[in-house]
Amino acid sequence: GAGVSQSPSNKVTEKGKDVELRCDPISGHTALYWYRQSLGQGLEFLIYFQGNSAPDKSGLPSDRFSAERTGGSVSTLTIQRTQQEDSAVYLCASSRRRQETQYFGPGTRLLVL
Amino acid sequence: RKEVEQDPGPFNVPEGATVAFNCTYSNSASQSFFWYRQDCRKEPKLLMSVYSSGNEDGRFTAQLNRASQYISLLIRDSKLSDSATYLCVVNGYNTDKLIFGTGTRLQVFP
Repeated sequence: GAGVSQSPSNKVTEKGKDVELRCDPISGHTALYWYRQSLGQGLEFLIYFQGNSAPDKSGLPSDRFSAERTGGSVSTLTIQRTQQEDSAVYLCASSRRRQETQYFGPGTRLLVL
Repeated sequence: RKEVEQDPGPFNVPEGATVAFNCTYSNSASQSFFWYRQDCRKEPKLLMSVYSSGNEDGRFTAQLNRASQYISLLIRDSKLSDSATYLCVVNGYNTDKLIFGTGTRLQVFP
């Protein structure tokens, strides 16, 4: 079946612009995660959605970052007023239920000039 | 103390060697454990789940030591294609989310 998809695959933007990153999880998966990975670094947790529960936003680095998940499926990560330090690969993952295996999308490579 | 800790390596081993990685975790109540593999500039992919009794998948063996709070991954007969970063994953403290270690880099040389 279809895996997790993300769009765009690459995004180049200018400092100060807003960007939206999209994630389509595997159908039927109730848990959805966003991570950030800078070059040569580990995964940095950003936000976690589980069903209809309030999301765990504890990893969002600043109020410029926000995410939503509509209808329990597609999720959008928005970064406002982008900064150069936001440049990274943004990875989305979904799992059938909480604490189960996470399946990752290919990521969006964001470059802020 | 970090919730999940791994030796970053790199571990440089010749083809055919056996290599083992450990990963320590701080939440004694953790129930879910996984090993993921991440190739350069690629997304992480599940290598194997880790079960209480230990489990094996071909050349790969995963074990859990609850008393000492660590999990291990053993790779036998290393192949060049095993070169990657291996990520340890554990469910976090007081939360459902899974916590990723920063990874152990393995380089297998001819």
